[in-house]
Amino acid sequence: GDSVTQTEGLVTLTEGLPVMLNCTYQSTYSPFLFWYVQHLNEAPKLLLKSFTDNKRPEHQGFHATLHKSSSSFHLQKSSAQLSDSALYYCALSDEGGTGSKLSFGKGAKLTVSP
Amino acid sequence: EAAVTQSPRNKVAVTGGKVTLSCNQTNNHNNMYWYRQDTGHGLRLIHYSYGAGSTEKGDIPDGYKASRPSQENFSLILELATPSQTSVYFCASGTGGQDTQYFGPGTRLLVL
Repeated sequence: GDSVTQTEGLVTLTEGLPVMLNCTYQSTYSPFLFWYVQHLNEAPKLLLKSFTDNKRPEHQGFHATLHKSSSSFHLQKSSAQLSDSALYYCALSDEGGTGSKLSFGKGAKLTVSP
Repeated sequence: EAAVTQSPRNKVAVTGGKVTLSCNQTNNHNNMYWYRQDTGHGLRLIHYSYGAGSTEKGDIPDGYKASRPSQENFSLILELATPSQTSVYFCASGTGGQDTQYFGPGTRLLVL
């Protein structure tokens, strides 16, 4: 079945340093990949998602590139901000399968300190 | 902005009791989902629905039932609540595929 493996647990960074959260996946079909972000006491919300035309999605300084050859969709940002502290989930939607469910990774809690 | 609401926002239940969590969406999305969130496990899908009258089992359906009486409403039912079902429950709506899922604010359930 579909599965997502991502950077898990606690990730601590100093403000201004680059952010890299890894995400790899297994899927029978051609999936869509997502990054969701959840700030403290809030609901998860979409940060960015893969495009079908290989464009690189970007939002709030974050970007991710879908590499089908390595089955990866790593999240990156050049300079971490205090406001980036949150829980980050990588997720997969299987286009060729039901295409209606998301399979989530276990999440990474990013803490950015001054 | 897509809107998903959940009630109650907090719930304390007793072991063996029945719990019903409600979700309402005004997005006119066909698909609705119930997840639970636990540290170390992330978001896990319990049940989902493709439209009114339909329910499908997700990855962890045991101990849960779901009901979709209308396009707007999707309920999660714990017939016999257990302490292991203490968690934060999120409802979401979407259209599937590459489209975004929109999450509700969550319900904190404590089963004593």
